[in-house]
Amino acid sequence: GIQVEQSPPDLILQEGANSTLRCNFSDSVNNLQWFHQNPWGQLINLFYIPSGTKQNGRLSATTVATERYSLLYISSSQTTDSGVYFCAVGGAQGAQKLVFGQGTRLTINP
Amino acid sequence: ETGVTQSPTHLIKTRGQQVTLRCSSQSGHNTVSWYQQALGQGPQFIFQYYREEENGRGNFPPRFSGLQFPNYSSELNVNALELDDSALYLCASSRSYNEQFFGPGTRLTVL
Repeated sequence: GIQVEQSPPDLILQEGANSTLRCNFSDSVNNLQWFHQNPWGQLINLFYIPSGTKQNGRLSATTVATERYSLLYISSSQTTDSGVYFCAVGGAQGAQKLVFGQGTRLTINP
Repeated sequence: ETGVTQSPTHLIKTRGQQVTLRCSSQSGHNTVSWYQQALGQGPQFIFQYYREEENGRGNFPPRFSGLQFPNYSSELNVNALELDDSALYLCASSRSYNEQFFGPGTRLTVL
């Protein structure tokens, strides 16, 4: 099955810094989503981005499907950006299950 | 538009018992997927229901079973609970093979 690898596993930054989170996947996908998991466990949808580039405020994402990776950019980080960020992909065939990476834990210090 | 809801929020059971978790899908969505998230891990796919039929299953034993109802809500049943079943159980809904939206989860503790 598809393998998903996220890097870095942990990232500690000061408020105001910019960050880039990476997601590599091992096969063709027709679904790629980025999530932020809040302290209570809820997965918050950030982007649905199987290909191309999208922006939403301070966040943007790019997926290069032909090279099997996606990047999540966070600019001017705030303490509320802290948490775990997951990349999840859905394969091109069969049930539209999402395969999750292990996540990147982002800590933004004031 | 109402989001995905799950009940209960927390649950404590003992080993060997059975548990039923419930999920109401987002309005207009016909597909429900269930995931298990152990502490410190990413969510793992359990199974998916599309129009009341199981439409794919992950690497989970048969004691994990489910249902989808005509209104597209869903249940996850786990029999003969084991300590390792302690986890956050997440339900997601979608319109067929599209973006999935997650509920707040049910935290299950097995003692």
